[in-house]
This record gives sequence, C-alpha cells and structure tokens, in this order.
Amino acid sequence: DQQVKQNSPSLSVQEGRISILNCDYTNSMFDYFLWYKKYPAEGPTFLISISSIKDKNEDGRFTVFLNKSAKHLSLHIVPSQPGDSAVYFCAAPNAGNMLTFGGGTRLMVKP
Amino acid sequence: NAGVTQTPKFQVLKTGQSMTLQCAQDMNHNSMYWYRQDPGMGLRLIYYSASEGTTDKGEVPNGYNVSRLNKREFSLRLESAAPSQTSVYFCASDRDFEKSQPQHFGDGTRLSIL
Repeated sequence: DQQVKQNSPSLSVQEGRISILNCDYTNSMFDYFLWYKKYPAEGPTFLISISSIKDKNEDGRFTVFLNKSAKHLSLHIVPSQPGDSAVYFCAAPNAGNMLTFGGGTRLMVKP
Repeated sequence: NAGVTQTPKFQVLKTGQSMTLQCAQDMNHNSMYWYRQDPGMGLRLIYYSASEGTTDKGEVPNGYNVSRLNKREFSLRLESAAPSQTSVYFCASDRDFEKSQPQHFGDGTRLSIL
C-alpha cells in the first residue's frame, strides 16, 4: 500500500520553461511534506517543504503547492535549468519522523 | 563539513556472506535511519534509532540488524546476504524524531549480492 505516489517516472522540459512534478498521497493524517532532489551516486538532498496549514511555499525558483482536499502536491521549478536534471522524491513523515517516499520522478532539462 | 558519512561506497558479496554497513554523523543529531532504494520504489525505511540506546523496525526490517554504537554511529548488518538485498543503502539523521523536519542523507552504499 503506497501512501505516497509519483505517477510520472520521468519528465522532459526545455531549459527556461516550467517543470511541474506531481505527487499524490492517501494518508489524510500527513501534515508535513518534503521534496528531495537526488543526483546519481549521491544521497538525496532536501529541497523544500510545506506544512499542511499552508497551501503554498516558495523558495527562489522552487514552489510547492498543496491541495489537501485532493491529497495532491506539486513542485514547480521556474525557470528550469540543466543543473536541475535529477530525480525528485516527495516524502511525508509517518509516526514520528519516519519518512515515506514516493517512487521518484526523473527530470531532464534540455539545453 | 562531512555531515553523514557512509562506508563502504561499493561492495559485492556472495549469497550467504555477512556484511556491516557503517554510518556516522557529525551534526550532533539524536535520530538516525537506514533506508534502501530500489528502482521505481523510492526509499524504504529498514530500521531507525530515535535516540542513542534505542532502535526500532521500519517498513522492511527482515534480514537486517542494526546497532546504535553511540550518538554518532549507526550500523546496519546483513547476517546472511541474499540476492533480494541487492540495493543502494542510505543512512540519514535528524535532530529530533518527534518533530517533522528534513533528514540529512549520506551518499549511499551500493551493494550487489551474487
């Protein structure tokens, strides 16, 4: 039973355009969500988070939107850069700070 | 500026061999975690240690044991390796298990079991 799902395994975007990565969850008790970025042969690095009391959180080129009624969150990257090419994971803490991860979306930004 | 350090980075084992993966953090964090990453499945929690002296099972603990050696170090042991344990293993840490917050990850150990 996957509580966090990323239904798009991959996404290809042109440099300078917007990248939108999506994530759905089933557990209505989740109240905090995170996005991690992962380059090959490296560990995941924290990118941005959002609390369930908000519907939007912005950090530079990265914005996360949360739609609690739809149990859906999305990560927007504007403008996309080739260095953003990586695998992106959404995650949520479950019972304490044990993270449940989605399967990841591989983003490719073409120059 | 090390953060979370994992050793070794790569390892090949034969079925039935044993192996201990090492993890150390220098951020004075209280909580530590072991995850495995398999293609298309994201990261799954194997074991965690909410604080020094405690360990608990995560989502996929079968075939593994852990030791929280001290506040800095948290090791993962495979007693009798199986091909299904071929994976990339990540260690992570954070300050307070009871508080939702980002975890800091090491760069992983890539383990192949033949």
